[in-house]
Amino acid sequence: GAGVSQSPSNKVTEKGKDVELRCDPISGHTALYWYRQRLGQGLEFLIYFQGNSAPDKSGLPSDRFSAERTGESVSTLTIQRTQQEDSAVYLCASSLGGTRGGYGYTFGSGTRLTVV
Amino acid sequence: DQQVKQNSPSLSVQEGRISILNCDYTNSMFDYFLWYKKYPAEGPTFLISISSIKDKNEDGRFTVFLNKSAKHLSLHIVPSQPGDSAVYFCAASYGSNYKLTFGKGTLLTVNP
Repeated sequence: GAGVSQSPSNKVTEKGKDVELRCDPISGHTALYWYRQRLGQGLEFLIYFQGNSAPDKSGLPSDRFSAERTGESVSTLTIQRTQQEDSAVYLCASSLGGTRGGYGYTFGSGTRLTVV
Repeated sequence: DQQVKQNSPSLSVQEGRISILNCDYTNSMFDYFLWYKKYPAEGPTFLISISSIKDKNEDGRFTVFLNKSAKHLSLHIVPSQPGDSAVYFCAASYGSNYKLTFGKGTLLTVNP
């Protein structure tokens, strides 16, 4: 597609439930990144995919968080047993290659997750 | 430990005047710096970048200045327009590392 597409745009979930967030990168972009922005904070790196492998998962906050990517396409970020501190905007970005941070990044509009 | 700091949460300027947004960093390994602009309910969009081998980069109304010795960069917008009202994020990376480290952002309001 023309841009990075994320769905849903908004998600309200009850504490303890699992959620799945989806990211459709720009066609041909081999690198995909997940970031999150909690209220009043900057964006925090979560995970990086090159193709369908994730060489760096160091930003995932806990083992309740996982992500996968199908080929060089869609990625899904899953949060199990959601907690209130998981409330944030989850942003996905893609780029042609996983080189210099930020170079050629295109961000999606994000998923606003609210855990009640 | 916040490696990229934007100490002003907000800034208000009059249309036509200069907007100056500031950013400080602590990690001396950072060698590539970017500014992103973000409107509500949208993702950040790239505005301008600068490599550490330069001290200035200009693109139309936007100029970024880098002072490596002070570990400080600034974004100048001249003249400011109401459509520039948004949150501006400073971000940094180093080498071939793909990670971006972001500041908390500054909300710029340009008043007509």
